[in-house]
Amino acid sequence: EAQVTQNPRYLITVTGKKLTVTCSQNMNHEYMSWYRQDPGLGLRQIYYSMNVEVTDKGDVPEGYKVSRKEKRNFPLILESPSPNQTSLYFCASSDRVLNEQYFGPGTRLTVT
Amino acid sequence: EDKVVQSPLSLVVHEGDTVTLNCSYEVTNFRSLLWYKQEKKAPTFLFMLTSSGIEKKSGRLSSILDKKELFSILNITATQTGDSAIYLCAGSSWNQGGKLIFGQGTELSVKP
Repeated sequence: EAQVTQNPRYLITVTGKKLTVTCSQNMNHEYMSWYRQDPGLGLRQIYYSMNVEVTDKGDVPEGYKVSRKEKRNFPLILESPSPNQTSLYFCASSDRVLNEQYFGPGTRLTVT
Repeated sequence: EDKVVQSPLSLVVHEGDTVTLNCSYEVTNFRSLLWYKQEKKAPTFLFMLTSSGIEKKSGRLSSILDKKELFSILNITATQTGDSAIYLCAGSSWNQGGKLIFGQGTELSVKP
């Protein structure tokens, strides 16, 4: 089954404790992105990647890092999480031609 | 700055009604306009419209793109309670790889 998977689905952590949210897709898509969704602000892109070893900042990259060492994986790293990073996070992927982005199930992160 | 604006922000109708959701966009080097449905989980893809494909239909849902006036509408006929969701519109640009610029969403509630 074609899908985008994310782990963990739920995470509660404390300020400053490094964490990684994994994202993997099995559709051989070139493009992958991370979004955060907040009430009243909608979905905003954090980082995106157009292919292996090619990443770029989206609209709200501060406090986040990403890497794309393999085509299927695109982890999101929070080196020192803060409470303002409490949000619902989505990973998405698409192929280069169609750009119909498919979303993972989401990760609800709470930073206390 | 690229932006996508949706209206109305929320809408309450009764089963059987027809609804029209609006999306206007300003996207540099416009590539495509996408519609998603979001229930209490990840957004699911509905339609993609490009400058070369300006009308799409799937069952009770249809969408058009007016590339001159820079807007799109999503029509849902004979609404059902299962249509209750947030409908998201997003624009993509040739300049920015897989990046999607999302509108705020329209929250549709269909009452029995």
